[in-house]
Amino acid sequence: GAVVSQHPSWVICKSGTSVKIECRSLDFQATTMFWYRQFPKQSLMLMATSNEGSKATYEQGVEKDKFLINHASLTLSTLTVTSAHPEDSSFYICSAGGGTGQNIQYFGAGTRLSVL
Amino acid sequence: KQEVTQIPAALSVPEGENLVLNCSFTDSAIYNLQWFRQDPGKGLTSLLLIQSSQREQTSGRLNASLDKSSGRSTLYIAASQPGDSATYLCAVNADKIIFGKGTRLHILP
Repeated sequence: GAVVSQHPSWVICKSGTSVKIECRSLDFQATTMFWYRQFPKQSLMLMATSNEGSKATYEQGVEKDKFLINHASLTLSTLTVTSAHPEDSSFYICSAGGGTGQNIQYFGAGTRLSVL
Repeated sequence: KQEVTQIPAALSVPEGENLVLNCSFTDSAIYNLQWFRQDPGKGLTSLLLIQSSQREQTSGRLNASLDKSSGRSTLYIAASQPGDSATYLCAVNADKIIFGKGTRLHILP
């Protein structure tokens, strides 16, 4: 089946630094990738949709200058949390679609970000 | 705007019981609906996916149904086990995926 790899799985950083999270579709080409954020004991909230080769579409309330998304190839999307602060500490999950043509999204394992 | 609601928010049942988790959505124009399991501090495990043209899907002790016209889905778990304890998320896919807030399930040994 389709596999989405997300890296790193856990990152701890100091306040003010930037953190990059990678999402890769290992055995299919992902024309669309999605990034979600999950705060403790909350559900997953869609942050943005990225299409290969074009700018990401951000959901209302998500700062595009803070959460930089790059989808430069059909197998890789990156989310960069710029100048991270403690309130950015969260669980970030990506998903990728386009592998089977059945509108199925495959999810990565997630990245837990802790900003000190 | 699509909204996904899951009821109940939390559920505790003795081991061995059958149980039903509910999910409702406001816009029936969906591609598919998916049920996930999430253990504390972990990622998502896909349980069942139902395409909009389907009525139900089964996997082992799990059965998920979909009534698109009424905007409802149920996840039936038979003969529950302590290992089933987790949060169960319902996700509706219509161009983008909208998640419910989940049902925290606790199976009492």
